[in-house]
Amino acid sequence: AQSVTQPDIHITVSEGASLELRCNYSYGATPYLFWYVQSPGQGLQLLLKYFSGDTLVQGIKGFEAEFKRSQSSFNLRKPSVHCSDAAEYFCAVDSGGGATNKLIFGTGTLLAVQP
Amino acid sequence: GAGVSQSPSNKVTEKGKDVELRCDPISGHTALYWYRQSLGQGLEFLIYFQGNSAPDKSGLPSDRFSAERTGGSVSTLTIQRTQQEDSAVYLCASSLDSNSGNTIYFGEGSWLTVV
Repeated sequence: AQSVTQPDIHITVSEGASLELRCNYSYGATPYLFWYVQSPGQGLQLLLKYFSGDTLVQGIKGFEAEFKRSQSSFNLRKPSVHCSDAAEYFCAVDSGGGATNKLIFGTGTLLAVQP
Repeated sequence: GAGVSQSPSNKVTEKGKDVELRCDPISGHTALYWYRQSLGQGLEFLIYFQGNSAPDKSGLPSDRFSAERTGGSVSTLTIQRTQQEDSAVYLCASSLDSNSGNTIYFGEGSWLTVV
């Protein structure tokens, strides 16, 4: 079955430290993968997406993610975290193989940033 | 505004009552989605509309849930005979069309509490 797993429910990092949020997926074909961020009181915002080609994708707000087919992973990274990055982060896969935008989301990782 | 607009932002209803949630997508977007975000189930796909095609209702949890989209624009999600487990944030989203290459834009959600 198609699924997305985010093993870390809650992560705390210090401001200026690097960040890596883990995401593993289960999908039978080439996955269409996404990372979204949800800040308090705001809707979900797309950070970046992977469809094909270069396995390292750049997104907004200084985030990047690397697709590793051998590990079924699509981890999100940022070299230096800011207080404004505190939010909940969701990894997702398009269950329709890129044709539907019907997303299967992970359970999310709540990021806290210590000043 | 230029974003996805949802109303009401908050709704408290008594168990057994019907509720209607409204979504006004971004102008020109032919694809419209409803998702549900709850503590127990995370983010779940409910239904999506693409142009004049029959909607994909595969995510609706029961026959108490229905949705319509009039004139290819505004959509209403209706929950009949609400139950406490229906308490959640209902998120609407839209995109140019359902191809994953097009970014989905989410509204801020309608927070439903069933008492």
